[in-house]
Amino acid sequence: DAMVIQNPRYQVTQFGKPVTLSCSQTLNHNVMYWYQQKSSQAPKLLFHYYDKDFNNEADTPDNFQSRRPNTSFCFLDIRSPGLGDAAMYLCATSRSGHIYNEQFFGPGTRLTVL
Amino acid sequence: RKEVEQDPGPFNVPEGATVAFNCTYSNSASQSFFWYRQDCRKEPKLLMSVYSSGNEDGRFTAQLNRASQYISLLIRDSKLSDSATYLCVVNGLTGGGNKLTFGTGTQLKVEL
Repeated sequence: DAMVIQNPRYQVTQFGKPVTLSCSQTLNHNVMYWYQQKSSQAPKLLFHYYDKDFNNEADTPDNFQSRRPNTSFCFLDIRSPGLGDAAMYLCATSRSGHIYNEQFFGPGTRLTVL
Repeated sequence: RKEVEQDPGPFNVPEGATVAFNCTYSNSASQSFFWYRQDCRKEPKLLMSVYSSGNEDGRFTAQLNRASQYISLLIRDSKLSDSATYLCVVNGLTGGGNKLTFGTGTQLKVEL
């Protein structure tokens, strides 16, 4: 089945130690998104790629970076995780922007910062 | 004012009950809307899209009132498996993709 896959499902890192989260998709969608969802809060868009074009949200901290080496893969890099970065990180994909396009979410990576 | 506002609940209802959730949005230019369902510690999953004046899918009915900037979700004949958090989502276009703005969700607990 076509799907969005995230690895690892659970990630523990130490304060300040860089971490990379991975997302892959078999849907061949040209848009990939990264969301952050903290406990009891709504998912919040960090950034997205439209093909190779990176689009950062204005309030996304510089500590968060992303790479998309090809259509199928997208990575979220947290350069120096703080305790406040503990959250569920959700990857999503969609076809190119149309107002009625659905986004398909991966199962998420739950990040713990010690 | 938050972009998308929902009553957080929880709504505790007996099996078989009808329950309605409300949502308001602040951007009058918003054009499309969704209801997503999120189970505990899982990813959001699309429940329904809400177009024009609304739509129905089995036990679920979504309504949109553009004048009041208000969206609702009605669940009839609630099942135990309907227990989840329901997220109201406003869809916008940004940089070639879509920006989903989520409400904080309304928690539903369906009980025997």
